[in-house]
Order: sequence, then structure tokens, then C-alpha cells
Amino acid sequence: QKEVEQNSGPLSVPEGAIASLNCTYSDRGSQSFFWYRQYSGKSPELIMFIYSNGDKEDGRFTAQLNKASQYVSLLIRDSQPSDSATYLCAVNSGNTPLVFGKGTRLSVIA
Amino acid sequence: DVKVTQSSRYLVKRTGEKVFLECVQDMDHENMFWYRQDPGLGLRLIYFSYDVKMKEKGDIPEGYSVSREKKERFSLILESASTNQTSMYLCASSPGTTWGNEQFFGPGTRLTVL
Repeated sequence: QKEVEQNSGPLSVPEGAIASLNCTYSDRGSQSFFWYRQYSGKSPELIMFIYSNGDKEDGRFTAQLNKASQYVSLLIRDSQPSDSATYLCAVNSGNTPLVFGKGTRLSVIA
Repeated sequence: DVKVTQSSRYLVKRTGEKVFLECVQDMDHENMFWYRQDPGLGLRLIYFSYDVKMKEKGDIPEGYSVSREKKERFSLILESASTNQTSMYLCASSPGTTWGNEQFFGPGTRLTVL
């Protein structure tokens, strides 16, 4: 059973700080990695994807991938109260649908 | 932009009723998915489809069936609704001939079975 693990939180950070969200996965052959944001009562929306080891930046968001450690993270710089949401990590392991983690709830305190 | 729409945002049904949840995507995506989402359990895959009239069971198919008669439409059917099927139901689609591409979600249907 392919697994994706996330700390459920809540992760609380003050406004303006860096929020660091982490995800580990069990399948060493995993190839692509996605971060979704889900506001309460809404559906998940894709915010970033990463395929290669290293960092990928998009505005205030940075995804980091370390395939040797089977670890992917999402950093949110200058966190805002509007970033308060649940963040889902999703992993592709070959020819199967994406495997989603259960999500980490982030709370940004003004 | 990809648009995935679902027929209802909120639905209330009675135990034993047959329930249809409809999903339509407008981006010619090959793959479509149905999930349910419950607090503490995350997203759980019910069924998915990679082509018209094709379907595959996900992790929790019991009590559900699906239909894909047209590429853009994927229906989830609860043959005889039960209270433990009260949940948020999310439809998603993704492009391409593999499963590993990003999925785009509809707004969800919150189903309550009384």
C-alpha cells in the first residue's frame, strides 16, 4: 500500500513568518509531487508541482524535493491569514492515480 | 481554465433512495475520478475512469457504481443510500494517458443521508 504521510497539525505561525509543511512518501519510485490548498468547505486547488530533486519557487511558495529521503516540503514565505487552510500533498507512483496525504491544517495568526 | 462542475452543492436524501451525482468537465480530459472526503480520513478514491465506458475500482467502491457514457461526464451512483454515505463527494479530472498528472477538482457535493 503506497502511503503519503503528513502531520495533521494544526500548524500555527504568526503573520509574516515562514510556514514549513512536510510530507513523506513510501514508494521510492514516485515520480511527481503536488501540493494542493483546501479552504474549509471548498475543494482542493493545485498550487505547485515538482518533479526533480531540489527547490522550485513560485512567488511566496517554494516546493522542495529530496527523493533520497522520500521527502517533499512546501515553504510559504511572508505567511498571511489568507494562507490559513489545509494543505494536501499528493504523489504519483507510476501508472496509478495520485495518492493523497490527509493534509496539514495551517493557521496564520494576525 | 479547466472547469469541473458538479450537479449539486448540497443534497439531502433518505435511506434507501437511489442517488445520482453528476460531474462534467470541459477540457477534454481523458481521466475522471470520484472521491469522498471525511474529517480525519482525507480523500478516499471511490472509482476512476480513463475512457468512455471504462471504469476502475478505487479504494472504497462498495455501495457505489459509476457511469461514463460521454467523455466529459462521469456519474456516481449510490444504488441504495445509507447514512454512512453522508459525506463530501468530490469529482476530479486530469489530462493525458497516464494517471500521474495533476487533478482538477469540482466544487464538491455535500450529501446528507437521513
